[in-house]
Amino acid sequence: LAKTTQPISMDSYEGQEVNITCSHNNIATNDYITWYQQFPSQGPRFIIQGYKTKVTNEVASLFIPADRKSSTLSLPRVSLSDTAVYYCLVGDRGTGGFKTIFGAGTRLFVKA
Amino acid sequence: KAGVTQTPRYLIKTRGQQVTLSCSPISGHRSVSWYQQTPGQGLQFLFEYFSETQRNKGNFPGRFSGRQFSNSRSEMNVSTLELGDSALYLCASRGVEREGTEAFFGQGTRLTVV
Repeated sequence: LAKTTQPISMDSYEGQEVNITCSHNNIATNDYITWYQQFPSQGPRFIIQGYKTKVTNEVASLFIPADRKSSTLSLPRVSLSDTAVYYCLVGDRGTGGFKTIFGAGTRLFVKA
Repeated sequence: KAGVTQTPRYLIKTRGQQVTLSCSPISGHRSVSWYQQTPGQGLQFLFEYFSETQRNKGNFPGRFSGRQFSNSRSEMNVSTLELGDSALYLCASRGVEREGTEAFFGQGTRLTVV
């Protein structure tokens, strides 16, 4: 399971675009990159997932360079409600099943 | 479709006691994983069950155990509770067996050991 490195925290203002980069130098060929969002006292919630290049959905975009050793989650025009912890996960298959290892995540604080 | 349901939401126990937490996955999901979340250690993987069998296990002592029933509902048990077991316990279910499948998390059970 590849280890990931993300900034511990980030600050932003409402209306700005926020980019959170995750490093995963030991990513395996079959690994997908998945991002989750977590609010206090709630379970994490899936945001977006990708394998290579760019993926976009209604809430975020995920940019993955050709070497796949890093990825960037982009949140357009953040609001106060985007204040949360964001986790980057790489590879979640254990031996014949799932073994998802969460890192420390990035604590995003959006200010008015 | 109902989400992942965890019961109870809050629990207060005394050191030395044991506790059982319950998780009902999304209908049709057969994989259930459990996590412990504390301010100091973050989100840590406990174990994963599929078709009543434990497939993966994290690095927790034997006091932490779990099981899964034929309807995919899962329980986790912590025996001989310690103060350090105070945490938010989360379970997640998955419906597809492939790398990177989205995990659906419940609201968690907040356990306080006094």
